Amino acid sequence: DTGVSQDPRHKITKRGQNVTFRCDPISEHNRLYWYRQTLGQGPEFLTYFQNEAQLEKSRLLSDRFSAERPKGSFSTLEIQRTEQGDSAMYLCASSLTAGVSTGELFFGEGSRLTVL
Amino acid sequence: AQKVTQAQTEISVVEKEDVTLDCVYETRDTTYYLFWYKQPPSGELVFLIRRNSFDEQNEISGRYSWNFQKSTSSFNFTITASQVVDSAVYFCALRDLTGGGNKLTFGTGTQLKVEL
Repeated sequence: DTGVSQDPRHKITKRGQNVTFRCDPISEHNRLYWYRQTLGQGPEFLTYFQNEAQLEKSRLLSDRFSAERPKGSFSTLEIQRTEQGDSAMYLCASSLTAGVSTGELFFGEGSRLTVL
Repeated sequence: AQKVTQAQTEISVVEKEDVTLDCVYETRDTTYYLFWYKQPPSGELVFLIRRNSFDEQNEISGRYSWNFQKSTSSFNFTITASQVVDSAVYFCALRDLTGGGNKLTFGTGTQLKVEL
């Protein structure tokens, strides 16, 4: 399978615990994005990387959230001291460097987080 | 700020009917891109169509067609001869070039149910 893969697909945790999600993008894609989707809503942008550089972060990304892409390949999204409001689907997407003619993102199936 | 509005929360049709999904957007940019994505129950967002702000020509691609009107800031999407497999949540999304990024702003989605 050469699409975007995310792990784990589901995570149930207790409030206050730390969780980490992993995303493996399409291999030739140098851009990687994280989005969050809550029930009944559209995905909301969290952050994106160009290779290993994190170029933009949304204000939604509080200090408890940290994302890395150390070698410009896979990425991790860590949430520290989880809160019930963090319960959501965390979507990863990748793309080639955006030219003015593209912008298509390829999404993974997401990691669903439930905080009890 | 960018905004995408999908006023239709849920639409139900009978198979073989045509169905149009509405999308209205707001942006201050003169250059932008509009997208439609499909999200089946598996959760993976699937790219369907893209249109740039310079081209208002409406097109047809198989059973999909779209109507882009800058004067009303609308980007409506039509599925002709709907099928049960079309049942999914459909998201309209806007990408502008502010900051050179590739951030998508999504609407809240329209749940389409196609019944036999």
